[in-house]
Amino acid sequence: DTGVSQDPRHKITKRGQNVTFRCDPISEHNRLYWYRQTLGQGPEFLTYFQNEAQLEKSRLLSDRFSAERPKGSFSTLEIQRTEQGDSAMYLCASSLIDQVFGPGTRLTVL
Amino acid sequence: AQKVTQAQTEISVVEKEDVTLDCVYETRDTTYYLFWYKQPPSGELVFLIRRNSFDEQNEISGRYSWNFQKSTSSFNFTITASQVVDSAVYFCALSDPDSGNTPLVFGKGTRLSVIA
Repeated sequence: DTGVSQDPRHKITKRGQNVTFRCDPISEHNRLYWYRQTLGQGPEFLTYFQNEAQLEKSRLLSDRFSAERPKGSFSTLEIQRTEQGDSAMYLCASSLIDQVFGPGTRLTVL
Repeated sequence: AQKVTQAQTEISVVEKEDVTLDCVYETRDTTYYLFWYKQPPSGELVFLIRRNSFDEQNEISGRYSWNFQKSTSSFNFTITASQVVDSAVYFCALSDPDSGNTPLVFGKGTRLSVIA
């Protein structure tokens, strides 16, 4: 399977806990993106990388969110002190030209 | 600021009917790219098409066709002879001049239900 993979696929956590998601892009893709999708909405951009450099962060990305792509391959997205409003599907995509999306990580904050 | 509007929240059609999904966009860029993605019940977004702002030719791919009209800032998607497998949420998206290689701005999507 040479698609974008994300882990875990589902995460349930209690408010105030920290969570970390992982994304493994298609190997030859140099750009990697994180989006968030809530019910009934389209995906909203959070941040993206070219190789290991973080090129842009959305204003949606509060101080509790941090993303890394340390070696220009996989990426992690961490949410600290989760809130109920963080409940969403977190989507990762990678690209050379067109963005290919992974299956997403569904986060539920109780 | 860029914005994509998909006014149709939900559409239901009977199998074999044709259906058109509307997309209207706003951008200050003179060069930009438009996209359609499909999100089936499994949840994974599937790329359907990319179109750049200099190419207003309509495109057809099997039962799918796209009509791009710069004059009305629209990029509509038509499915001919719909099938149950076409049931999904369809998203229109916009990016700035760097092809699809920059963050996408998505509309809210149109949920299409095709009934057998």
